[in-house]
Amino acid sequence: EPEVTQTPSHQVTQMGQEVILRCVPISNHLYFYWYRQILGQKVEFLVSFYNNEISEKSEIFDDQFSVERPDGSNFTLKIRSTKLEDSAMYFCASTFGASNEKLFFGSGTQLSVL
Amino acid sequence: RKEVEQDPGPFNVPEGATVAFNCTYSNSASQSFFWYRQDCRKEPKLLMSVYSSGNEDGRFTAQLNRASQYISLLIRDSKLSDSATYLCVVNREYSGGGADGLTFGKGTHLIIQP
Repeated sequence: EPEVTQTPSHQVTQMGQEVILRCVPISNHLYFYWYRQILGQKVEFLVSFYNNEISEKSEIFDDQFSVERPDGSNFTLKIRSTKLEDSAMYFCASTFGASNEKLFFGSGTQLSVL
Repeated sequence: RKEVEQDPGPFNVPEGATVAFNCTYSNSASQSFFWYRQDCRKEPKLLMSVYSSGNEDGRFTAQLNRASQYISLLIRDSKLSDSATYLCVVNREYSGGGADGLTFGKGTHLIIQP
Protein backbone atom coordinates (compact mmCIF):
# COMPACT_ATOMS: atom_id res chain seq x y z
CA GLU A 1 0.00 0.00 0.00
CA PRO A 2 1.38 3.47 -0.81
CA GLU A 3 2.39 5.52 2.19
CA VAL A 4 3.34 9.00 3.29
CA THR A 5 6.94 9.10 4.45
CA GLN A 6 8.41 11.58 6.90
CA THR A 7 11.98 12.34 7.83
CA PRO A 8 13.55 12.50 10.28
CA SER A 9 11.62 10.35 12.74
CA HIS A 10 13.16 12.30 15.62
CA GLN A 11 14.61 15.81 15.67
CA VAL A 12 16.24 17.45 18.65
CA THR A 13 17.02 21.14 18.44
CA GLN A 14 17.94 24.09 20.59
CA MET A 15 15.41 26.82 21.26
CA GLY A 16 15.69 29.56 18.65
CA GLN A 17 17.03 27.26 15.93
CA GLU A 18 15.34 26.66 12.61
CA VAL A 19 14.07 23.20 11.75
CA ILE A 20 12.75 21.72 8.54
CA LEU A 21 10.52 18.69 8.68
CA ARG A 22 10.23 16.73 5.48
CA CYS A 23 7.44 14.72 4.00
CA VAL A 24 6.91 12.79 0.79
CA PRO A 25 3.16 12.52 0.18
CA ILE A 26 1.63 9.71 -1.83
CA SER A 27 2.53 10.37 -5.45
CA ASN A 28 -0.88 11.01 -7.02
CA HIS A 29 -2.29 12.95 -4.07
CA LEU A 30 -3.18 16.60 -4.53
CA TYR A 31 -3.93 17.88 -1.01
CA PHE A 32 -1.31 18.04 1.70
CA TYR A 33 -1.51 18.79 5.39
CA TRP A 34 0.51 19.24 8.52
CA TYR A 35 -0.88 18.36 11.94
CA ARG A 36 0.78 18.27 15.31
CA GLN A 37 0.15 16.43 18.55
CA ILE A 38 1.63 17.59 21.82
CA LEU A 39 2.21 14.66 24.17
CA GLY A 40 -1.07 13.65 25.80
CA GLN A 41 -3.08 16.16 23.78
CA LYS A 42 -5.29 15.98 20.73
CA VAL A 43 -4.16 16.05 17.13
CA GLU A 44 -4.30 19.67 15.92
CA PHE A 45 -4.57 20.99 12.38
CA LEU A 46 -1.80 23.36 11.30
CA VAL A 47 -2.10 23.94 7.57
CA SER A 48 -3.49 22.59 4.31
CA PHE A 49 -1.89 23.03 0.92
CA TYR A 50 -3.29 22.62 -2.56
CA ASN A 51 -2.22 23.73 -6.01
CA ASN A 52 1.04 25.13 -4.65
CA GLU A 53 -0.53 27.42 -2.12
CA ILE A 54 -1.88 27.37 1.40
CA SER A 55 -5.61 26.63 1.46
CA GLU A 56 -6.20 27.09 5.12
CA LYS A 57 -4.18 27.54 8.27
CA SER A 58 -4.99 27.42 11.95
CA GLU A 59 -4.11 30.04 14.55
CA ILE A 60 -1.21 27.84 15.59
CA PHE A 61 0.39 28.38 12.16
CA ASP A 62 1.85 31.83 12.83
CA ASP A 63 4.66 33.70 11.08
CA GLN A 64 7.23 31.30 12.50
CA PHE A 65 5.82 28.51 10.34
CA SER A 66 6.02 28.07 6.60
CA VAL A 67 5.38 25.27 4.14
CA GLU A 68 6.83 24.59 0.77
CA ARG A 69 6.63 22.09 -2.02
CA PRO A 70 10.11 22.59 -3.47
CA ASP A 71 9.79 19.90 -6.10
CA GLY A 72 7.26 17.38 -7.34
CA SER A 73 7.61 15.04 -4.42
CA ASN A 74 8.59 16.78 -1.17
CA PHE A 75 6.41 18.82 1.15
CA THR A 76 8.22 20.61 3.97
CA LEU A 77 7.32 22.39 7.19
CA LYS A 78 9.79 24.98 8.43
CA ILE A 79 9.79 26.45 11.90
CA ARG A 80 12.00 29.55 11.83
CA SER A 81 12.83 30.04 15.48
CA THR A 82 11.73 27.12 17.59
CA LYS A 83 10.20 27.56 21.03
CA LEU A 84 9.94 25.05 23.84
CA GLU A 85 6.20 24.77 23.20
CA ASP A 86 6.84 23.63 19.63
CA SER A 87 7.89 20.25 21.03
CA ALA A 88 5.39 17.80 19.61
CA MET A 89 4.84 15.01 17.11
CA TYR A 90 4.33 16.52 13.68
CA PHE A 91 2.28 14.50 11.21
CA CYS A 92 2.16 15.06 7.48
CA ALA A 93 -0.91 13.82 5.64
CA SER A 94 -2.14 13.69 2.08
CA THR A 95 -5.27 12.83 0.15
CA PHE A 96 -6.29 12.71 -3.46
CA GLY A 97 -9.55 14.64 -3.10
CA ALA A 98 -10.56 17.51 -0.85
CA SER A 99 -13.24 15.64 1.02
CA ASN A 100 -10.73 14.04 3.42
CA GLU A 101 -12.45 10.71 2.87
CA LYS A 102 -9.16 8.90 2.63
CA LEU A 103 -6.56 10.91 4.47
CA PHE A 104 -3.26 9.13 4.87
CA PHE A 105 -0.90 10.14 7.66
CA GLY A 106 2.83 9.69 7.78
CA SER A 107 4.41 8.12 10.84
CA GLY A 108 5.41 11.51 12.19
CA THR A 109 8.48 13.45 13.28
CA GLN A 110 8.97 13.82 17.01
CA LEU A 111 10.40 17.31 17.55
CA SER A 112 12.06 18.04 20.86
CA VAL A 113 13.06 21.65 21.54
CA LEU A 114 15.54 22.04 24.38
CA ARG B 1 -17.97 24.15 24.42
CA LYS B 2 -15.16 22.05 22.95
CA GLU B 3 -15.43 21.42 19.21
CA VAL B 4 -15.27 17.65 19.51
CA GLU B 5 -15.77 16.07 22.89
CA GLN B 6 -15.10 12.49 23.90
CA ASP B 7 -14.97 10.55 27.14
CA PRO B 8 -11.22 10.00 27.57
CA GLY B 9 -11.66 6.67 29.38
CA PRO B 10 -9.85 4.42 29.79
CA PHE B 11 -12.44 1.81 29.03
CA ASN B 12 -11.28 -1.54 30.38
CA VAL B 13 -13.30 -4.37 28.85
CA PRO B 14 -12.80 -8.13 28.66
CA GLU B 15 -12.00 -9.76 25.37
CA GLY B 16 -15.17 -10.67 23.50
CA ALA B 17 -17.27 -7.92 25.05
CA THR B 18 -19.13 -5.21 23.19
CA VAL B 19 -18.06 -1.64 23.84
CA ALA B 20 -19.50 1.66 22.67
CA PHE B 21 -17.99 5.14 22.49
CA ASN B 22 -19.76 8.42 22.05
CA CYS B 23 -18.68 11.75 20.72
CA THR B 24 -20.38 15.14 20.48
CA TYR B 25 -19.46 17.99 18.19
CA SER B 26 -20.29 21.65 18.48
CA ASN B 27 -20.20 22.91 14.91
CA SER B 28 -23.52 22.27 13.21
CA ALA B 29 -21.86 23.05 9.85
CA SER B 30 -19.79 19.88 10.14
CA GLN B 31 -20.34 17.74 7.11
CA SER B 32 -18.04 14.73 7.34
CA PHE B 33 -17.44 12.47 10.27
CA PHE B 34 -14.86 9.81 10.89
CA TRP B 35 -13.49 7.45 13.49
CA TYR B 36 -9.72 7.13 13.54
CA ARG B 37 -7.64 4.73 15.55
CA GLN B 38 -4.32 5.74 17.09
CA ASP B 39 -1.89 3.35 18.67
CA CYS B 40 0.55 4.68 21.25
CA ARG B 41 3.01 7.15 19.68
CA LYS B 42 1.83 6.26 16.17
CA GLU B 43 -0.02 8.13 13.47
CA PRO B 44 -3.83 8.20 13.33
CA LYS B 45 -5.32 5.70 10.91
CA LEU B 46 -8.77 5.91 9.42
CA LEU B 47 -11.05 3.28 10.92
CA MET B 48 -14.23 4.24 9.18
CA SER B 49 -16.24 7.13 7.85
CA VAL B 50 -19.61 7.80 9.47
CA TYR B 51 -22.61 8.21 7.22
CA SER B 52 -26.01 9.66 8.04
CA SER B 53 -27.70 6.31 7.56
CA GLY B 54 -25.22 4.56 9.84
CA ASN B 55 -22.70 2.09 8.56
CA GLU B 56 -21.07 -1.14 9.52
CA ASP B 57 -17.67 -2.63 8.77
CA GLY B 58 -17.26 -6.09 10.21
CA ARG B 59 -17.34 -5.81 13.99
CA PHE B 60 -17.54 -2.03 13.89
CA THR B 61 -20.73 0.02 13.61
CA ALA B 62 -20.87 3.81 13.41
CA GLN B 63 -23.94 5.98 13.89
CA LEU B 64 -24.55 9.67 13.34
CA ASN B 65 -27.29 11.78 14.90
CA ARG B 66 -27.17 15.21 13.27
CA ALA B 67 -30.01 16.63 15.35
CA SER B 68 -28.16 15.88 18.57
CA GLN B 69 -24.70 16.43 17.01
CA TYR B 70 -23.64 13.05 18.28
CA ILE B 71 -21.57 10.21 16.82
CA SER B 72 -21.11 6.72 18.16
CA LEU B 73 -18.87 3.74 17.54
CA LEU B 74 -19.77 0.21 18.57
CA ILE B 75 -17.22 -2.60 18.64
CA ARG B 76 -18.57 -6.12 18.91
CA ASP B 77 -16.63 -9.21 19.95
CA SER B 78 -13.65 -7.08 20.98
CA LYS B 79 -10.17 -8.44 20.43
CA LEU B 80 -6.90 -7.74 22.21
CA SER B 81 -5.72 -5.97 19.05
CA ASP B 82 -8.56 -3.44 19.39
CA SER B 83 -6.67 -1.85 22.30
CA ALA B 84 -5.93 1.68 21.12
CA THR B 85 -7.17 5.26 21.33
CA TYR B 86 -10.23 5.97 19.21
CA LEU B 87 -10.43 9.47 17.80
CA CYS B 88 -13.68 11.12 16.78
CA VAL B 89 -13.00 13.45 13.85
CA VAL B 90 -15.20 15.98 12.07
CA ASN B 91 -14.76 18.14 9.04
CA ARG B 92 -16.43 21.48 8.50
CA GLU B 93 -18.49 22.26 5.46
CA TYR B 94 -16.28 22.05 2.45
CA SER B 95 -16.29 25.38 0.66
CA GLY B 96 -14.64 24.20 -2.51
CA GLY B 97 -11.36 25.14 -4.11
CA GLY B 98 -9.25 24.11 -1.17
CA ALA B 99 -8.92 21.68 1.65
CA ASP B 100 -10.18 22.14 5.18
CA GLY B 101 -8.44 20.67 8.15
CA LEU B 102 -10.00 18.00 10.27
CA THR B 103 -10.97 18.65 13.88
CA PHE B 104 -9.98 15.84 16.20
CA GLY B 105 -11.35 14.85 19.56
CA LYS B 106 -8.87 14.02 22.25
CA GLY B 107 -9.74 10.35 21.94
CA THR B 108 -11.10 7.53 24.04
CA HIS B 109 -8.57 5.04 25.33
CA LEU B 110 -9.67 1.41 25.08
CA ILE B 111 -7.95 -1.48 26.83
CA ILE B 112 -9.08 -5.00 26.01
CA GLN B 113 -8.17 -7.42 28.74
CA PRO B 114 -7.58 -11.15 28.18
